Amino acid sequence: EVQLVESGGGLVQPGESLRLSCAATGFPFYTYWMAWVRQAPGKGLEWVASINQDRSEIYYVDSVKGRFTISRDNAGASLYLQMNNLRAEDTAVYYCARCGRGGVWYYYGMSVWGQGTTVTVSS
Amino acid sequence: SYVLAQPPSVSVAPGKTAKITCGGDNIGSKSAHWYQQKPGQAPVLVVHNDNDRPSGIPERFSGSNSGNTATLTISRVEAGDEADYYCQVWDSRSHHWVFGGGTKLTAL
Repeated sequence: EVQLVESGGGLVQPGESLRLSCAATGFPFYTYWMAWVRQAPGKGLEWVASINQDRSEIYYVDSVKGRFTISRDNAGASLYLQMNNLRAEDTAVYYCARCGRGGVWYYYGMSVWGQGTTVTVSS
Repeated sequence: SYVLAQPPSVSVAPGKTAKITCGGDNIGSKSAHWYQQKPGQAPVLVVHNDNDRPSGIPERFSGSNSGNTATLTISRVEAGDEADYYCQVWDSRSHHWVFGGGTKLTAL
């Protein structure tokens, strides 16, 4: 079964750090672009970061640049999001998502999503 | 930055056809995707690449994309289709994924 399972969320104070993990099973993880998407309470979806198969292409939404780092371990089929200097506005459910592969990988959208992990930043 | 605009809500009677629009500058030149999200659940991809359906998605869901508007069409709407729907594109200029603000579909 194709599956993504996130972990690592929790309650932290502003300025603190958190590392999210996403374990992938049921598909060749190393062949796919991957992404993190978040959803603040009662709000819409917001893309956070993307990474290609060999980590040569990494992109971030402007609001997290310099604070968040996306990474992947292809051997362990895992995706990560290191979040530093967290702010109240980072409070959200964070989803791990599988994107496409190949030359037009963006034609496929995000076809597999995890169940999400909740990050709450509050003093 | 690239922006996608969706109506906040769309209402339709069960059995009728719902159309949810997604406006963006020359969006017809991009590949548009649509997601369905029910309360407390993760999003589900219902249409990718303008009008392709992932396996398991009913034929009632279809899409189109031309000019400045992409459209998700849901035929013979059922109560179970009530959800938030989001459009999405990849902006190759900024290397960003962009989501629309979402549309809440209500089956009256």
